[in-house]
Amino acid sequence: QKEVEQNSGPLSVPEGAIASLNCTYSDRGSQSFFWYRQYSGKSPELIMSIYSNGDKEDGRFTAQLNKASQYVSLLIRDSQPSDSATYLCAGNFGNEKLTFGTGTRLTIIP
Amino acid sequence: EPEVTQTPSHQVTQMGQEVILRCVPISNHLYFYWYRQILGQKVEFLVSFYNNEISEKSEIFDDQFSVERPDGSNFTLKIRSTKLEDSAMYFCASSEARGQGAWEQYFGPGTRLTVT
Repeated sequence: QKEVEQNSGPLSVPEGAIASLNCTYSDRGSQSFFWYRQYSGKSPELIMSIYSNGDKEDGRFTAQLNKASQYVSLLIRDSQPSDSATYLCAGNFGNEKLTFGTGTRLTIIP
Repeated sequence: EPEVTQTPSHQVTQMGQEVILRCVPISNHLYFYWYRQILGQKVEFLVSFYNNEISEKSEIFDDQFSVERPDGSNFTLKIRSTKLEDSAMYFCASSEARGQGAWEQYFGPGTRLTVT
């Protein structure tokens, strides 16, 4: 059973600071990972994808993947109140479906 | 920007009734999916669909569920005899292709299904 684990939070970060979100997974097979943002009552919105070890940057977001240690992280720089949401980590383990974690609730404090 | 659309946004039905949830995937996408999210729980995979057939399904996707692509644009999920525990948000998603690096799935706004 392939699992994706996240700390459910809540995680509170002051406005302008760096928010760090983490995710671990249980499978060592072929993996791709995705970070989705989900506002309350809304659908998951894809913000980052990462397929290879290392860092991937897109604007204020940096995704990091370490396959040896089986973790994925998302850094949000210069956090804004609009970043307050639940962040979902999802993995694709060589088949077609995404396996989601429970999500981490992030609150940015003005 | 192209997006996945879903109708209706909210469906209320009585236990035992049939419901059909509708989705229009992004037009050049080839892979289609249904997920559900029970309130307060994680997003769960139901089924994937490619080339007019189911390519993968979860243990949740039992005989009461079916999917169809009735025309060139719509993708539907039918629940034949709804149960109280089917109450959830149902999300449709689509992706352009498969293979390493190509599994970015884009989600629609969801249909909230309430079974009474």
